[in-house]
Amino acid sequence: ETGVTQSPTHLIKTRGQQVTLRCSSQSGHNTVSWYQQALGQGPQFIFQYYREEENGRGNFPPRFSGLQFPNYSSELNVNALELDDSALYLCASSSGQTPTDTQYFGPGTRLTVL
Amino acid sequence: QKEVEQDPGPLSVPEGAIVSLNCTYSNSAFQYFMWYRQYSRKGPELLMYTYSSGNKEDGRFTAQVDKSSKYISLFIRDSQPSDSATYLCAMSGGGSARQLTFGSGTQLTVLP
Repeated sequence: ETGVTQSPTHLIKTRGQQVTLRCSSQSGHNTVSWYQQALGQGPQFIFQYYREEENGRGNFPPRFSGLQFPNYSSELNVNALELDDSALYLCASSSGQTPTDTQYFGPGTRLTVL
Repeated sequence: QKEVEQDPGPLSVPEGAIVSLNCTYSNSAFQYFMWYRQYSRKGPELLMYTYSSGNKEDGRFTAQVDKSSKYISLFIRDSQPSDSATYLCAMSGGGSARQLTFGSGTQLTVLP
């Protein structure tokens, strides 16, 4: 086990609703990244937070937003849900910013948008 | 065209076989290359990490990177049923050094 936890495990929403997904990083990890993994695809980078500031973003619209808290927890918020947002959402934490700092993934939250 | 291409399989081999998994990429800025293993209903876990070109061995696993061909490989020797999983290649070193760009994954089944 990586020590990274995510909640909830599963979630069902309808189109147009808003959702908040939560992640608890390993203790001491100051960097958290969020990824979207569609069925049969590899994870796609959404954004990264370092010391509570967003410091990198992938090709996702502004309705995807996040927060990182001092207690190593973080949130991913998605507004105006679309059917294509159905996916496994993964968070990954690491102890630093360099590429050699391993990213440890949580088990993910599976979101279904109807 | 995707930045990272990976044969999705599925790949099925008998126990004890040597498995070869491959990825190609187009972004020459990638410097760090990783292989992740993902079991069903789990998050990816890091298997191997390589910087730039060369080989790296860890037990039954060998990772190879050929930057001139933009081609990376993972070899699994003496494959076991417990190796059955989806294998994802990942790379970083582009615009955001920490951003991982993943392949689509290869689903591997090792038959007892």
